[in-house]
Amino acid sequence: DAGVIQSPRHEVTEMGQEVTLRCKPISGHDYLFWYRQTMMRGLELLIYFNNNVPIDDSGMPEDRFSAKMPNASFSTLKIQPSEPRDSAVYFCASTPSGFMNTEAFFGQGTRLTVV
Amino acid sequence: DQQVKQNSPSLSVQEGRISILNCDYTNSMFDYFLWYKKYPAEGPTFLISISSIKDKNEDGRFTVFLNKSAKHLSLHIVPSQPGDSAVYFCAASALSGETGGSEKLVFGKGTKLTVNP
Repeated sequence: DAGVIQSPRHEVTEMGQEVTLRCKPISGHDYLFWYRQTMMRGLELLIYFNNNVPIDDSGMPEDRFSAKMPNASFSTLKIQPSEPRDSAVYFCASTPSGFMNTEAFFGQGTRLTVV
Repeated sequence: DQQVKQNSPSLSVQEGRISILNCDYTNSMFDYFLWYKKYPAEGPTFLISISSIKDKNEDGRFTVFLNKSAKHLSLHIVPSQPGDSAVYFCAASALSGETGGSEKLVFGKGTKLTVNP
């Protein structure tokens, strides 16, 4: 398996534009997580899905952020409208189960810059 | 409020010496702890973990120690190598009240380790 695949790797957009980040989890993994990494806050969990169903979105910073998982092999994180403070690296991760003896596999991340 | 704290943003050691990375947590419900390593422009990768029923777990040059009473864990790398230079994240999870499974990983801010040749 190629691992967790994220696209694009880099995204530069203007403030106010819509941004869509994409993720393809490892086949067979039941859980998908979206994280955001910043210098100030480190790695923050934004939202996670189990079997395509959102379980906990308490980490989503504002209503401008939304995430979907229409099927087991694809998820999107959308920011509309984007703001400069959204600039960060966004990671997607997946695990075969949610139980504590399973580590998460991360994608390479999308570096978002909002100017 | 940060539930997982890595108070040292950076650490520099000489090749061949021991690297000790520290992590503190505040949530007493955490029962599983992990360390991830992250190279620039890559996603974090799992390094080593420990369950709360243990106080030590070893894997080659990497050992994680857990002190539950102090809510503290540490990662020891012996001997340190230049290839170990990376950002190390401490993470913790707790049993979910609803499903009984540990589903959420809470991460610290990371410690950047530099191993000098």
